[in-house]
Amino acid sequence: AQSVAQPEDQVNVAEGNPLTVKCTYSVSGNPYLFWYVQYPNRGLQFLLKYITGDNLVKGSYGFEAEFNKSQTSFHLKKPSALVSDSALYFCAVRDMGPAGGFKTIFGAGTRLFVKA
Amino acid sequence: EAGVAQSPRYKIIEKRQSVAFWCNPISGHATLYWYQQILGQGPKLLIQFQNNGVVDDSQLPKDRFSAERLKGVDSTLKIQPAKLEDSAVYLCASSLVRGGGFFGPGTRLTVL
Repeated sequence: AQSVAQPEDQVNVAEGNPLTVKCTYSVSGNPYLFWYVQYPNRGLQFLLKYITGDNLVKGSYGFEAEFNKSQTSFHLKKPSALVSDSALYFCAVRDMGPAGGFKTIFGAGTRLFVKA
Repeated sequence: EAGVAQSPRYKIIEKRQSVAFWCNPISGHATLYWYQQILGQGPKLLIQFQNNGVVDDSQLPKDRFSAERLKGVDSTLKIQPAKLEDSAVYLCASSLVRGGGFFGPGTRLTVL
């Protein structure tokens, strides 16, 4: 069955330090992987996606994510965190296999708190 | 380009009443999703359309929820009758098959 896990409810990091938000997934076919950010009282915003190609994907606001097929992970990273990055981050996976029906499943979310 | 439009933005009803939400996706996006996001949780897929056909509705409580996508464009999601646990933000998203989903602002439903 298709699933996605974000093992950390909250990640705390000091401004200027690198950040990592973890995500692991399980699909039957080839995955499409996504990261979204949700600011308070705002809708979900698309950050980046992995479909094929380079394992390191660059997205909006300086974020990037590394696809690791052997570890079935797609961790979100940023070299230098900003206070304004504080938000709720969601990992999502779309199973492109015949049994998946192209369904997009979201993780439970990780709250990122960047301290000045 | 215009984004995904949803209305209303907020709705307050009493339990056992009915409510309907409307979504207009981005032009040209064949895939349309309805998600339910309960406070503190990730979005849960309720139903996914490809054009005007249903791809997945396995998590839609069909005894009370219904959805349709007219002519493969706009979509409505209805709850009849509503329960207290239906209080959530209902998100509509659209996408191309290979693209990330673009989300609307959501409809915040409060059931009293």
